Amino acid sequence: DAGITQSPRYKITETGRQVTLMCHQTWSHSYMFWYRQDLGHGLRLIYYSAAADITDKGEVPDGYVVSRSKTENFPLTLESATRSQTSVYFCASSPGLGAKRNTIYFGEGSWLTVV
Amino acid sequence: AQTVTQSQPEMSVQEAETVTLSCTYDTSESNYYLFWYKQPPSRQMILVIRQEAYKQQNATENRFSVNFQKAAKSFSLKISDSQLGDTAMYFCAFMKLLIQGAQKLVFGQGTRLTINP
Repeated sequence: DAGITQSPRYKITETGRQVTLMCHQTWSHSYMFWYRQDLGHGLRLIYYSAAADITDKGEVPDGYVVSRSKTENFPLTLESATRSQTSVYFCASSPGLGAKRNTIYFGEGSWLTVV
Repeated sequence: AQTVTQSQPEMSVQEAETVTLSCTYDTSESNYYLFWYKQPPSRQMILVIRQEAYKQQNATENRFSVNFQKAAKSFSLKISDSQLGDTAMYFCAFMKLLIQGAQKLVFGQGTRLTINP
């Protein structure tokens, strides 16, 4: 049971470069999410998706782009990385149906450093 | 707007002791979900326990249980017979429904729990 896989797990990039964080889930969950976690903060929602080709902004979407052409994939792109985007990024998913419909499961996180 | 407050930034107990982590939240909604997540040094977010607001019975998962007081908007986590592996950051979270049926978790700031041998 692979669950949610994020790649890369660790990334160092330079200011101004484009970076894409990948997220893949094997549960066929309808909903997928991207959160970021900064020191001194809990997790904050960047973007979410209710289904393939349906995405919407969360609390802190500026500087990020998402797409969801397939149910199982939800990549997050930083168009022009800035130092303030140095963070740990978590992909998550939720089934939306069934007994666990209101439970969100997280991937292992991707550590991104922008220098 | 929903807010979640964890008033204990850090706690420390001896192995095998019982420890209670506090959480309060603010919402005007009547039906919602509450969660406790554990984040060990690896930074992975691990679901510990969840509570549905319409259920009066407190949720229990092995050594973990909650004290859910809906009127007081309180949701504390009790860890019994604490183990070294319980050392982690613990986050309380409130689930808010978004448009399109999606859900958003609103997190507290976390409590860093250390279990000492």
